[in-house]
Amino acid sequence: ETGVTQSPTHLIKTRGQQVTLRCSSQSGHNTVSWYQQALGQGPQFIFQYYREEENGRGNFPPRFSGLQFPNYSSELNVNALELDDSALYLCASSDPAGESDTQYFGPGTRLTVL
Amino acid sequence: AQKITQTQPGMFVQEKEAVTLDCTYDTSDPSYGLFWYKQPSSGEMIFLIYQGSYDQQNATEGRYSLNFQKARKSANLVISASQLGDSAMYFCAMRPGAAGGTSYGKLTFGQGTILTVHP
Repeated sequence: ETGVTQSPTHLIKTRGQQVTLRCSSQSGHNTVSWYQQALGQGPQFIFQYYREEENGRGNFPPRFSGLQFPNYSSELNVNALELDDSALYLCASSDPAGESDTQYFGPGTRLTVL
Repeated sequence: AQKITQTQPGMFVQEKEAVTLDCTYDTSDPSYGLFWYKQPSSGEMIFLIYQGSYDQQNATEGRYSLNFQKARKSANLVISASQLGDSAMYFCAMRPGAAGGTSYGKLTFGQGTILTVHP
C-alpha cells in the first residue's frame, strides 16, 4: 500500500511569485486535506477536497487555491507569495467512510519565501 | 468552534519509563474524534491513536493509550516504556462530527508538546 507522497520536498521562492505543491493520496482514499504549519506551531487547516470538490475551507485568503484530480491526487496553488507564507505545507488523505476518518499525512513541502 | 489546548511545551522522560502528555479540548459538537500525532524533526506527521467521542473504552495501540475523560474534556496520551526514538513533537487534534458523517474532516491541532527521552 503506497502512502501519501508530496512534491517537491523543499522550495525557495521570492515574494510575489506563484507556487504549486502536489500531493498523491494513499490508495483507497478519496479525500485530501491541506494544512500550513508555521515554525513552532500546530498545523492550520487550509482546505479539503472530496471527490474533486472543495469540501470546506479554513481562514486563508483566496490566493490559496486547490484542485483535486480524478485519481484523487491534489494540488495547492499559492499566488502572490508573501514572506509569511514560509511554512511546512502538509497534505493528508483520508476515507470519510472509514471507521475513524483518520487523516494520514505526507512528508510535507517546506516552502521558503524570500 | 473547536479548540485544543496542550499546556506542556516540553516534557522529559527517562528511557523505559512511562510518560503522560496532556490534552484538553473544547467543542459544542455532540460527536467528534480525537487524534494524537507524532512529528519527528523530519516533519512528517505520524498517526498514533484515535478515540471517538462515543467510544466507551479508552483506545490503545501498542505502547500508546489514550486516557479519555469526556466529562473533563481531556484526552491525554500515555506512552509506556519510552524509547529514544519517541523523542519528537506530539500533537493532539480534534475532528468535528462522527466518522462517515457529512461534516468535513477539518482537524484542529493544539500547539504541541516536545518530548525528550533520556537514556
